[in-house]
Amino acid sequence: GENVEQHPSTLSVQEGDSAVIKCTYSDSASNYFPWYKQELGKRPQLIIDIRSNVGEKKDQRIAVTLNKTAKHFSLHITETQPEDSAVYFCAAKDSNYQLIWGAGTKLIIKP
Amino acid sequence: EAQVTQNPRYLITVTGKKLTVTCSQNMNHEYMSWYRQDPGLGLRQIYYSMNVEVTDKGDVPEGYKVSRKEKRNFPLILESPSPNQTSLYFCASSPGVAGTDTQYFGPGTRLTVL
Repeated sequence: GENVEQHPSTLSVQEGDSAVIKCTYSDSASNYFPWYKQELGKRPQLIIDIRSNVGEKKDQRIAVTLNKTAKHFSLHITETQPEDSAVYFCAAKDSNYQLIWGAGTKLIIKP
Repeated sequence: EAQVTQNPRYLITVTGKKLTVTCSQNMNHEYMSWYRQDPGLGLRQIYYSMNVEVTDKGDVPEGYKVSRKEKRNFPLILESPSPNQTSLYFCASSPGVAGTDTQYFGPGTRLTVL
């Protein structure tokens, strides 16, 4: 079955710098990869997703890239701000159409 | 307001005392799911339902039951809770029959089993 690994588990960056979180997946048939953000004490919320027919998708300061050959996808946040501090989860759709989740990355934005 | 609600939000109970966590959505979504969240383990799916009267096991179904008698409700039942079920639980719903559309999460239920 699908397995998703996410790195790093904690990422600390200076405000204004960029942050990159990486995920790898095992099932080459996976074709849907969402990213969710969970602020402290809140519920996870979708911030961006990508399907396997594209290699990159952007939404303002957030972008996701997908490398199907290497089976990995990454979240890029540019010009980080204090409100970007949160836990970020990647996920991949498995053969049963269910999402398999990464373990999460705690992003800390240092002032 | 479109939303997913869960009750209770916090619950402290004792081993073996049956409990139910309710989940309701008002968005007419086909798909509903239960997750548990534990530190360092991310979100792990317990059960999911693609439609009324259709439920399937997720990755960690042991010790849990669910039912989907109505489209809007998807309760999680712990028949005999144990301390290893202490966790943060999230219910989620999604428009499509599979979980690959945006999933909308409830506010979470923090359960402590003593």
